[in-house]
Amino acid sequence: EVQLVQSGAEVKKPGESLRISCKGSGYSFTTYWISWVRQMPGKGLEWMGRIDPSDSQTNYSPSFQGHVTFSVDKSITTAYLQWSSLKASDTAVYYCARGYLYDADWGQGTLVTVSS
Amino acid sequence: DIQMTQSPSSLSASVGDRVTITCRASQGISNALAWYQQKPGKAPKLLMHAALSLETGVPSRFSGSGSGTDYTLTINSLQPEDFATYYCLQYYSAPRTFGQGTKVQIK
Repeated sequence: EVQLVQSGAEVKKPGESLRISCKGSGYSFTTYWISWVRQMPGKGLEWMGRIDPSDSQTNYSPSFQGHVTFSVDKSITTAYLQWSSLKASDTAVYYCARGYLYDADWGQGTLVTVSS
Repeated sequence: DIQMTQSPSSLSASVGDRVTITCRASQGISNALAWYQQKPGKAPKLLMHAALSLETGVPSRFSGSGSGTDYTLTINSLQPEDFATYYCLQYYSAPRTFGQGTKVQIK
């Protein structure tokens, strides 16, 4: 069974750094891209970008380029989404998803709350 | 970037109704369109890809159609479990873009 299991909820202050994770299992981790999707409170889905676990090639949406970083650790089949300096506007649920053209399997989401 | 305009943003319907949701792309996307269903507090669920290819396990009351820039998701005979928010996603070009979502509510 394909599973994407994300790390737990986080509460951070503005300016702090954060890395959340997404562990894939039940499939060949390097065969499918991992996408990241943001959902701000009460809002729609926003595609942030994706990473190819086989070579760490990334595509960032212009809206998120420079503010977040995607990475993977193939040895533990885990993808990461990282911020170096959080803003209050980063408060949202973040989903990882597996696919190539479109994403068929999704993680359960990680709630990130940024508040002073 | 390709903009996806989804309509309506919300609708009220009764069990048994037929519901139609539309997505219009700002340029042709050659059927590179997926539809997702999201229930409160849950991750999105893929319903179909390539505009009309139903995913395994998705009830046949869901159907997709369209071409070029205009695409439609139809739910025939709406069931209680179908009340949710629906999103289209174009994967024709990067960055991928979602529609704004359509919330299907109980009338």
